[in-house]
Amino acid sequence: DAGVIQSPRHEVTEMGQEVTLRCKPISGHDYLFWYRQTMMRGLELLIYFNNNVPIDDSGMPEDRFSAKMPNASFSTLKIQPSEPRDSAVYFCASGTSSSYNEQFFGPGTRLTVL
Amino acid sequence: KQEVTQIPAALSVPEGENLVLNCSFTDSAIYNLQWFRQDPGKGLTSLLLIQSSQREQTSGRLNASLDKSSGRSTLYIAASQPGDSATYLCAVGVYALNFGKGTSLLVTP
Repeated sequence: DAGVIQSPRHEVTEMGQEVTLRCKPISGHDYLFWYRQTMMRGLELLIYFNNNVPIDDSGMPEDRFSAKMPNASFSTLKIQPSEPRDSAVYFCASGTSSSYNEQFFGPGTRLTVL
Repeated sequence: KQEVTQIPAALSVPEGENLVLNCSFTDSAIYNLQWFRQDPGKGLTSLLLIQSSQREQTSGRLNASLDKSSGRSTLYIAASQPGDSATYLCAVGVYALNFGKGTSLLVTP
């Protein structure tokens, strides 16, 4: 079975540009999570969805960040405009309540904003 | 807010040793606790999940325990191997996870 798929794996952009990160969760999973990892702050939750509905977006740092889940097999995290402090690795994870919500992570997208 | 602490931050052991990694958390109202492994530049690999009603879980050379009353979990690795070298992360939560900063483990041949 395919795991969580994220694209792109690496993204380098200039300050002010729009960035869109993509995630395909494991089929059948009803929870989807977006996390950000930095050296200073470690892994932090940004937002999570249940059955495509955003449940908790309190970790989204600013209005520049937005996330959508238009269907059960696709989610996007968008940053507009991007800033150098947004440079981090962004992980998508999925889980299912029928398996006690054990979370499975994608390979991450390494974002560098110049 | 749930705070998760992992001690030690780094650990170096010779191959073959048994070792224990520690994780503590401040809020015992958790749904589950999950241990992950992260290799440099890679994603997270789930190692063990302990439900809040459980006391321990085992997988191969790994054993994880959970004591909710004291807010602690330990990950025991038996007969360590160089391939075990990685960062080990502890995470707790109800749905979303709160992560510790991890223990960086180096097993030397």
